Amino acid sequence: QVQLVQSGAEVKKPGASVKVSCKASGYTFTSYDINWVRQATGQGLEWMGWMNPNSYNVGYAQKFQGRVTMTRDPSISTAYMELSSLTSEDTAVYYCARNIVNSGWFDSWGQGTLITVSS
Amino acid sequence: QAVLTQPSSLSASPGASASLTCTLRSGINIGTYNIYWFQQKPGSPPQCLLRYRSDSDKQQGSGVPSRFSGSKDASANAGILLISGLQSDDEADYYCMIWHNSAWVFGGGTKLTVL
Repeated sequence: QVQLVQSGAEVKKPGASVKVSCKASGYTFTSYDINWVRQATGQGLEWMGWMNPNSYNVGYAQKFQGRVTMTRDPSISTAYMELSSLTSEDTAVYYCARNIVNSGWFDSWGQGTLITVSS
Repeated sequence: QAVLTQPSSLSASPGASASLTCTLRSGINIGTYNIYWFQQKPGSPPQCLLRYRSDSDKQQGSGVPSRFSGSKDASANAGILLISGLQSDDEADYYCMIWHNSAWVFGGGTKLTVL
């Protein structure tokens, strides 16, 4: 079955960077885009960007431009999201989600990774 | 003003119907947009329920009951998620989403209480 398994929770200091991984299984990794969506506690969903693991095309939400980098390693079917210059406002659960190219059908999600930014 | 606006909460009784709205900002015409609807329960990632563009162009999620349906109200410039025959298990947060200006945009979400 399709699965996206994310790396574990992390605590970071303000100004640091964090890199979250998302390992895919049960499907052809390069056939679907990977999106990253975050959710602060008690808040709504916020889309951060997408990456096509085949073409390596990426698209980032304007809010995160210059601070987020999405990469992948097709050899191990894993996508990564790195966020830099962290502040307390970045404390949230980060999800990866796959979707059919050019579609908003986010049909499979990772379990989420809690990133806490605290001094 | 946000691109997508959802009421923050809605309450309805078991067995009744609930109509959740997703209003597009003035100046953005809902006409040709695909509206995606997600359900999220506490402690879990969202689940995609359905996509609605028109009555002839829509898609239901795998395993999603037909009690969940989508529509549009062009006069209100809004997408609608209709849940009929409400069950206690429908109590959750519901989010709409569209592709706008080369980005996926979520509404703020509606917390549906079934009581």
